[in-house]
Amino acid sequence: GAVVSQHPSRVICKSGTSVKIECRSLDFQATTMFWYRQFPKQSLMLMATSNEGSKATYEQGVEKDKFLINHASLTLSTLTVTSAHPEDSSFYICSARRRGGNEQFFGPGTRLTVL
Amino acid sequence: AQSVAQPEDQVNVAEGNPLTVKCTYSVSGNPYLFWYVQYPNRGLQFLLKYITGDNLVKGSYGFEAEFNKSQTSFHLKKPSALVSDSALYFCAVRDPRGGNKLVFGAGTILRVKS
Repeated sequence: GAVVSQHPSRVICKSGTSVKIECRSLDFQATTMFWYRQFPKQSLMLMATSNEGSKATYEQGVEKDKFLINHASLTLSTLTVTSAHPEDSSFYICSARRRGGNEQFFGPGTRLTVL
Repeated sequence: AQSVAQPEDQVNVAEGNPLTVKCTYSVSGNPYLFWYVQYPNRGLQFLLKYITGDNLVKGSYGFEAEFNKSQTSFHLKKPSALVSDSALYFCAVRDPRGGNKLVFGAGTILRVKS
């Protein structure tokens, strides 16, 4: 149990377009989901925390109008990169946590390349 | 503020030898500590965690880690390394009084050579 999926696994888009990434908990209800960004050969940087049915909490320096997060249900969170630019190219990873749980379960990641 | 340090960018080990990947942490309260492994272009896989109880924690794939409060360390160990253990390893800490956030170390590349 505790499987998290992400879709798509890889996306290439033109500069100025918006890209939506989905994160799903397949076999459990995720009251909290997290979105991370990872640059090559670097650690994961938390972008935002989202609780089901409420607005996401963004980390300092993360533009909430640029990275739109929606956590509409207990099994789905989406991250939309609006008006993407080449500097937004990165590996985006989500994770999910059960209510009262200590552990985060990670998705396989989405590689975004903005041309 | 909570933080995690992984002092080694890379660890090289011969297959069959024991391995250690180091991690030290800083957190104001009693920490929740985690180890994750990442293979190229993949998400993180959970290895083990320390919440409370025995200081020696056993996890997946034969890995274990020892929580040392006095040294604020949580080193990852395995008695006999496999070539397939080669990957990127992350230590992470969560302050139970600091909300839901996990703070990750910079990561350590483990290379096991046959």
